[in-house]
Amino acid sequence: DAGVIQSPRHEVTEMGQEVTLRCKPISGHDYLFWYRQTMMRGLELLIYFNNNVPIDDSGMPEDRFSAKMPNASFSTLKIQPSEPRDSAVYFCASTDRAEAFFGQGTRLTVV
Amino acid sequence: AQSVTQLDSQVPVFEEAPVELRCNYSSSVSVYLFWYVQYPNQGLQLLLKYLSGSTLVKGINGFEAEFNKSQTSFHLRKPSVHISDTAEYFCAVTYPSGNTPLVFGKGTRLSVIA
Repeated sequence: DAGVIQSPRHEVTEMGQEVTLRCKPISGHDYLFWYRQTMMRGLELLIYFNNNVPIDDSGMPEDRFSAKMPNASFSTLKIQPSEPRDSAVYFCASTDRAEAFFGQGTRLTVV
Repeated sequence: AQSVTQLDSQVPVFEEAPVELRCNYSSSVSVYLFWYVQYPNQGLQLLLKYLSGSTLVKGINGFEAEFNKSQTSFHLRKPSVHISDTAEYFCAVTYPSGNTPLVFGKGTRLSVIA
């Protein structure tokens, strides 16, 4: 397996634009997590899914953030409209319960 | 809810010296414990994990950690560090039930000095 795949690796966008981050988890993993990493806050859990169903989205900072998992092999995190304070590295991870595997992350810069 | 405290945000150490990165967790029930490493501009990679059994866990790159239930600690150690060990290290905890996500500490930046 190629591991967790995230795209794009880097995204630069203007404030107010819509941003969509993508994640392909490892096949067979039934949990998928979205984390955000910043210098100030460290690693924050945004939302996680079990068998494509959102379980806990209490970490999503605002209504501007939304996440979907239409099938077991794909998830998106969308920010609309984006703001400069959303600049961070966003990680997707999938787990077989005993270990979480992380993607390489998407570095988002909102200018 | 469980939480993780990494007591040191930065640890500088000379090459070939030993190092210990401290991690304490809070939970009243059994937990799974993990150490992850993050190299610059990369994702997190698992170093080692404690699920059950022996309290001394050996991981990759010569690292090991000891689970101490009475002190609720899971400190990471390496007897002799290398320049290539310079990275950010994260301790994490979750419940064995599997339906809770990993909770991470704030991270410890290990800087190895030549």
